[in-house]
Amino acid sequence: KNQVEQSPQSLIILEGKNCTLQCNYTVSPFSNLRWYKQDTGRGPVSLTIMTFSENTKSNGRYTATLDADTKQSSLHITASQLSDSASYICVVSPFSNEKLTFGTGTRLTIIP
Amino acid sequence: NAGVTQTPKFQVLKTGQSMTLQCAQDMNHEYMSWYRQDPGMGLRLIHYSVGAGITDQGEVPNGYNVSRSTTEDFPLRLLSAAPSQTSVYFCASSPTSGFYNEQFFGPGTRLTVL
Repeated sequence: KNQVEQSPQSLIILEGKNCTLQCNYTVSPFSNLRWYKQDTGRGPVSLTIMTFSENTKSNGRYTATLDADTKQSSLHITASQLSDSASYICVVSPFSNEKLTFGTGTRLTIIP
Repeated sequence: NAGVTQTPKFQVLKTGQSMTLQCAQDMNHEYMSWYRQDPGMGLRLIHYSVGAGITDQGEVPNGYNVSRSTTEDFPLRLLSAAPSQTSVYFCASSPTSGFYNEQFFGPGTRLTVL
């Protein structure tokens, strides 16, 4: 069964620090990997989309990396801000949107 | 653009009651979908539509019906609510169902079935 596993489940860091979230997947075939940010009580918002041929993609202070050989991705957040407190969800797509596999997310809390 | 809108934001039902969750988008997107989000689980696809008049089942369709009479609207109907349907429901849309298309999510409806 296609799976997407994220680690850690939760993370607490001080404002201004960097952090890295991990995503391992077994989805095959694979065409693209996405990272979403979900604020409490809101819908997910797309941060990055990477195809299988891309190694890295940035969106401001967010940088996603992808290693298609090891089936691993990471999301690096630089100089964290209080507004970064949210759940971060890794999503893998084999072909099209109706086949997306969602991870359970990492809950990130930034403390002042 | 309002993006993807959902109503209501919260709803409490008794077992056996029926209701419709509304979803609308103003981006002229062809593809729309419904997900449910439960604690400790990733979002799961309920139903989806690749265009007006076309709908199909996702991963967890039982107990839900959908229709797509217009490009803008994609309502989700619960025919006879059960406690297992207590969840947060998200509607999403994208330009097409193509694999590189970003999905835009609505704010969600939190449903409790007693």
